[in-house]
Amino acid sequence: DTGVSQNPRHKITKRGQNVTFRCDPISEHNRLYWYRQTLGQGPEFLTYFQNEAQLEKSRLLSDRFSAERPKGSFSTLEIQRTEQGDSAMYLCASSLVPGRSSNQPQHFGDGTRLSIL
Amino acid sequence: AQTVTQSQPEMSVQEAETVTLSCTYDTSESNYYLFWYKQPPSRQMILVIRQEAYKQQNATENRFSVNFQKAAKSFSLKISDSQLGDTAMYFCAFMKHVGGAGGSNYKLTFGKGTLLTVNP
Repeated sequence: DTGVSQNPRHKITKRGQNVTFRCDPISEHNRLYWYRQTLGQGPEFLTYFQNEAQLEKSRLLSDRFSAERPKGSFSTLEIQRTEQGDSAMYLCASSLVPGRSSNQPQHFGDGTRLSIL
Repeated sequence: AQTVTQSQPEMSVQEAETVTLSCTYDTSESNYYLFWYKQPPSRQMILVIRQEAYKQQNATENRFSVNFQKAAKSFSLKISDSQLGDTAMYFCAFMKHVGGAGGSNYKLTFGKGTLLTVNP
């Protein structure tokens, strides 16, 4: 079990630049989630995919944010024209699709820490 | 909308002792799941224990157990025989049951966390 992998671990960039993060889920997991965690807070849901389809986006995900999962495997999260407020830990998680009467736990990666100068 | 409240920002315990972390939540749903996740410093978040709301029996996982009080909307985590490796941020989280109204049966709603330090 290789777990959920996220790259890079850390990203430092200047305000106004674009950044892209990658998440590789556990191989058999068809659901993939993105969360954002700021200092002193719990993770907040951003968006999720079932296979290649993006099924829900939080209001936290402004139009500067875009996420893709083109082949239903890895996913990318891009932030355009970064702002100071984008500084956070971006967490990826994956799971199997829940059954009719069961829940499938979400497995998290190490996260990508973004710092905007 | 659901909310999760962890009223203890920080706690400490001596090695080998027992500690209880508190969590309360607010929801109008009758079926849901509750979770405790552990996030060690600079390491990934790990699922510690989960509870289905329709089950009356409290979940246990080795040294970890919960006290689930559905009427009071309370979900506390008890860690017995605390170990140094238990030092971490602990998050309580809520998820609607599969098939819940609005189809939001995927999103975890987290509390702000409790930083637990186990002292030698």
